Amino acid sequence: QVQLQESGPGLVKPSGTLSLTCVVSGASVTNNNWWSWVRQPPGKGLEWIAEIHHTGATNYNPSLRSRVTISVDQSKNQFSLNLNSVTAADTALYYCVRHWGYAFDVWGQGTMVTVSP
Amino acid sequence: QSALTQPPSVSGSPGQSVTISCTGTSSDVGSYDRVSWYQQPPGTAPKLMIYDVGNRPSGVPDRFSGSKSGNTASLTISGLQTEDEADYYCSSYTNSPSYVFGTGTKVTVL
Repeated sequence: QVQLQESGPGLVKPSGTLSLTCVVSGASVTNNNWWSWVRQPPGKGLEWIAEIHHTGATNYNPSLRSRVTISVDQSKNQFSLNLNSVTAADTALYYCVRHWGYAFDVWGQGTMVTVSP
Repeated sequence: QSALTQPPSVSGSPGQSVTISCTGTSSDVGSYDRVSWYQQPPGTAPKLMIYDVGNRPSGVPDRFSGSKSGNTASLTISGLQTEDEADYYCSSYTNSPSYVFGTGTKVTVL
């Protein structure tokens, strides 16, 4: 079955850049799916960050667009997230997700990122 | 973009029905039949329960149903069971284009 696995530093300094990677297994990123990042601050709700298609097409959350870049690496069957100028408000559990049409049907287990000096 | 509005909590006894509302705007829920619902028990990743307003993925019990009227979507859980206790989130495609989630609702089985 399709599995997603996030990886990246668990601690990022304020004003730094958060970089995460999601490795896809059991499916190809070149399938006709979109792939997204979603985050959840501790004890709070879900926030959609960005999506990408293997063709390189992207869409971003308007409130985060100026700080976010999403990319895909077909050769490694993975996609990535960069979020710059981070603050404590970016502390969250970050999920990578596969789209099924306009829904999110496969979720990674999530990776916790803390922004702290 | 603002989060979709959900009630913070709903509760019911086993066997009863509960309904969770999800209110958006004409830029999201009101314009697209692209509303989905997710169940998130504590400490776990969300699970897709309903897609495209009222469709259930394979394996989701038919006790879960969805609907939409205007700018408000709803999730109904009929015949409430103890394992249904969790947080529930709605999501909608928007005209940005982007996606927006709801504020989340905690379902408690009394």
